[in-house]
Amino acid sequence: DIQMTQSPSSVSASVGDRVTITCRASQGISSWVAWYQQKSGKAPKLLIYAASSLQSGVPSRFSGSGSGTDFTLTISSLQPEDFATYYCQQANSFPLTFGGGTKVEIK
Amino acid sequence: QLQLQESGPGLVKPSETLSLTCTVSGDSVSTSSYYWGWIRQPPGKGLEWIGTIYYSGTTHYNPSLKSRVTISIDTSKNQFSLKLSSVTAADTGVYSCASCGGASCTFDHWGQGTLVTVSS
Repeated sequence: DIQMTQSPSSVSASVGDRVTITCRASQGISSWVAWYQQKSGKAPKLLIYAASSLQSGVPSRFSGSGSGTDFTLTISSLQPEDFATYYCQQANSFPLTFGGGTKVEIK
Repeated sequence: QLQLQESGPGLVKPSETLSLTCTVSGDSVSTSSYYWGWIRQPPGKGLEWIGTIYYSGTTHYNPSLKSRVTISIDTSKNQFSLKLSSVTAADTGVYSCASCGGASCTFDHWGQGTLVTVSS
């Protein structure tokens, strides 16, 4: 199974800050990574697929990069509605696996 | 617009079988465009993929749950279902159905999720 190690597990940031979350795969997965945002009590929302493709309707302040084993989600200017938990997911092969999550909190 | 909605009991006794159904609207479960999947989330914890089914009936399961999981599809009702047998308290959590489409299984549409508690 491919393990997805996500860091940090939490980050405190202010509105307007640039936030970067990383995910490392235990083996090469090309660009088959997705990123999700989950707000409390809600279902996850797809933000990024195929490592860097922005899902329709997602603000352009969200971006993804990486290939192989190392991937990054960046929020260029944090907005109040962005405080949430973020998960990466490898879509290279079954079994599908998620990272442990990163909680973005208000500083 | 594709929509998914979970339904099923919110309380299951230990050792019994958890059964949930996901009703799909906005497209057919028979489409070759999507895989259909189940994901769960224990209280306060992260996401865990349970399994996925294709319209053809092809399934993929999480190895850690494989011996207890069955996912099936009912084209006549436009639904797919989850059965998880021999449940324990560790199976308590929010269970969500979702679709994954495109070139890889990325979950682009989700149900709202349903809380299932395993308790006597």
